[in-house]
Amino acid sequence: SAVISQKPSRDICQRGTSLTIQCQVDSQVTMMFWYRQQPGQSLTLIATANQGSEATYESGFVIDKFPISRPNLTFSTLTVSNMSPEDSSIYLCSVDRPESTEAFFGQGTRLTVV
Amino acid sequence: GNSVTQMEGPVTLSEEAFLTINCTYTATGYPSLFWYVQYPGEGLQLLLKATKADDKGSNKGFEATYRKETTSFHLEKGSVQVSDSAVYFCALIPVDSSYKLIFGSGTRLLVRP
Repeated sequence: SAVISQKPSRDICQRGTSLTIQCQVDSQVTMMFWYRQQPGQSLTLIATANQGSEATYESGFVIDKFPISRPNLTFSTLTVSNMSPEDSSIYLCSVDRPESTEAFFGQGTRLTVV
Repeated sequence: GNSVTQMEGPVTLSEEAFLTINCTYTATGYPSLFWYVQYPGEGLQLLLKATKADDKGSNKGFEATYRKETTSFHLEKGSVQVSDSAVYFCALIPVDSSYKLIFGSGTRLLVRP
């Protein structure tokens, strides 16, 4: 298994500001993933973060809005930039273990933009 | 494209009732199939999985069978408990992706004492 810690667990932010979410894993992983869960909806993959390269973004998500860092094999950050109320969601970090075909998730960051 | 469709919730049951949450998928070939559970205030946890046709995943009294002919992976439990109250997500990983989880919309289960 993998233990994933996300910070902050929740935040209330003013529109127009930015928030950086941190994700720390207790062991080295190749790929880290960021998901968004909008209120009452399912999870949508934002991007995949590999160490040493630029993140790969899914359709509908852009680097200017959701810049991602991956400085090493145990850590990643997701920034939600120039926030609007539509960005109010739960943001989740995830890692996988290729040998188990299982994805592990952090507890999520609940973001409210006012 | 690849997609997962779940029955809408909320599903409200009395304790010890039988549970079925329907899940069907659209994908080419034989994707890997999963059920994840999200308890109140917690992150997602893998509940069970199946990686090939006719496989049955099981955990904590929950079961789901990979049905290729009906492209389904319905979640069942014979006797639910109050502690099973959570949101359940059906998901798949397509054959052409080793990592990209595609989730259904989630089904909220509420079990009353």
